[in-house]
Amino acid sequence: NAGVMQNPRHLVRRRGQEARLRCSPMKGHSHVYWYRQLPEEGLKFMVYLQKENIIDESGMPKERFSAEFPKEGPSILRIQQVVRGDSAAYFCASSPLTGGNEQFFGPGTRLTVL
Amino acid sequence: AQTVTQSQPEMSVQEAETVTLSCTYDTSESNYYLFWYKQPPSRQMILVIRQEAYKQQNATENRFSVNFQKAAKSFSLKISDSQLGDTAMYFCAFMKHVAYSGAGSYQLTFGKGTKLSVIP
Repeated sequence: NAGVMQNPRHLVRRRGQEARLRCSPMKGHSHVYWYRQLPEEGLKFMVYLQKENIIDESGMPKERFSAEFPKEGPSILRIQQVVRGDSAAYFCASSPLTGGNEQFFGPGTRLTVL
Repeated sequence: AQTVTQSQPEMSVQEAETVTLSCTYDTSESNYYLFWYKQPPSRQMILVIRQEAYKQQNATENRFSVNFQKAAKSFSLKISDSQLGDTAMYFCAFMKHVAYSGAGSYQLTFGKGTKLSVIP
């Protein structure tokens, strides 16, 4: 059973470009979470999705950031018009159920904005 | 809102010795879950141990155990017989209990981490 997959592992963008980060949850998992880790910091929650629904986006910046988890295909975290402050590691996690179950993390995507 | 505090940015321990990492949290919830995650240099997040707040018994996983003090809102991690492979960042995390799917979010709130170095 493959783990959570994220791609790309490394992404370099120039200021003003768009970044698309993909996350394929573990087989059988229908809950996806995105977290951001700034240098020397812990992970910060961004958004929680179930298939075709955003359940909690309280950690998402109000502008330029969006997320989706379509019926078919991976979850996508999209950052428009990237700025240097968006440089970070973005982690996706998935879980099969809810309520204290382990969230299984992907390897992360390291975004560098030049 | 919940907060998680790890007051030790860095620690070191001799191989085969025991080390304790501290974590405190603040919440008004009565039912919740606490986790310790390990992040080695590969940056992969790995679950080390988990504790349900309603359980009085401290969780144990092989060489890893916790000291959960609910009244003090403290959740420390003890690593016995430290090994070189234990060198990593360790993050304490909190998740509130949600009664049923759709009733809330299962987001994890993380501390800033403790960098543990195991010295040969």
